[in-house]
Amino acid sequence: QKEVEQNSGPLSVPEGAIASLNCTYSDRGSQSFFWYRQYSGKSPELIMFIYSNGDKEDGRFTAQLNKASQYVSLLIRDSQPSDSATYLCAVNGGDSNYQLIWGAGTKLIIKP
Amino acid sequence: EPEVTQTPSHQVTQMGQEVILRCVPISNHLYFYWYRQILGQKVEFLVSFYNNEISEKSEIFDDQFSVERPDGSNFTLKIRSTKLEDSAMYFCASSETSPAGSQYFGPGTRLLVL
Repeated sequence: QKEVEQNSGPLSVPEGAIASLNCTYSDRGSQSFFWYRQYSGKSPELIMFIYSNGDKEDGRFTAQLNKASQYVSLLIRDSQPSDSATYLCAVNGGDSNYQLIWGAGTKLIIKP
Repeated sequence: EPEVTQTPSHQVTQMGQEVILRCVPISNHLYFYWYRQILGQKVEFLVSFYNNEISEKSEIFDDQFSVERPDGSNFTLKIRSTKLEDSAMYFCASSETSPAGSQYFGPGTRLLVL
């Protein structure tokens, strides 16, 4: 059974600080890794994707991937109250190009 | 900015009835997906569709489910005989060229089976 694990939180971070969200996955064959943001009652919104080991930066967001440790993380710099949401980690199955396997999400709260 | 659209936003139906959920993927995207999310639970993959056929389906996607691309723009999910446990948010998504590429989600249809 392929699994994606996330700490459910809530993770509380002061405004302006760095929020660090973590995700582990079980399938060593996974090649594509995604972070989505989901506001309550809304659909997942793509924030970042990463395919290679290392860091990838996009504005205030940095995704980090370590395939040896089967670990992917998302850093949010200069956190804003509008960043308060549930962050979902999604991973493509190693033997599947199509299916994304999802974590349960980490609820992030940015305190003004 | 192009986006995935879905209709209806809400659907209430009686158990045993058929429902059709509709989606218009982003116009230049080639890969289409349906996911569902039961309230408070994980997003779950149902099915992917490429080149007018199902490319992959999950165990959830049993014989009561079907998908269709009836024309050049719409992508539909049909549930033949709804059950109480089908109550969930149903999301359509699409991706451009690679099935392992970034999937963009529509706003969802909230289905309630009574």
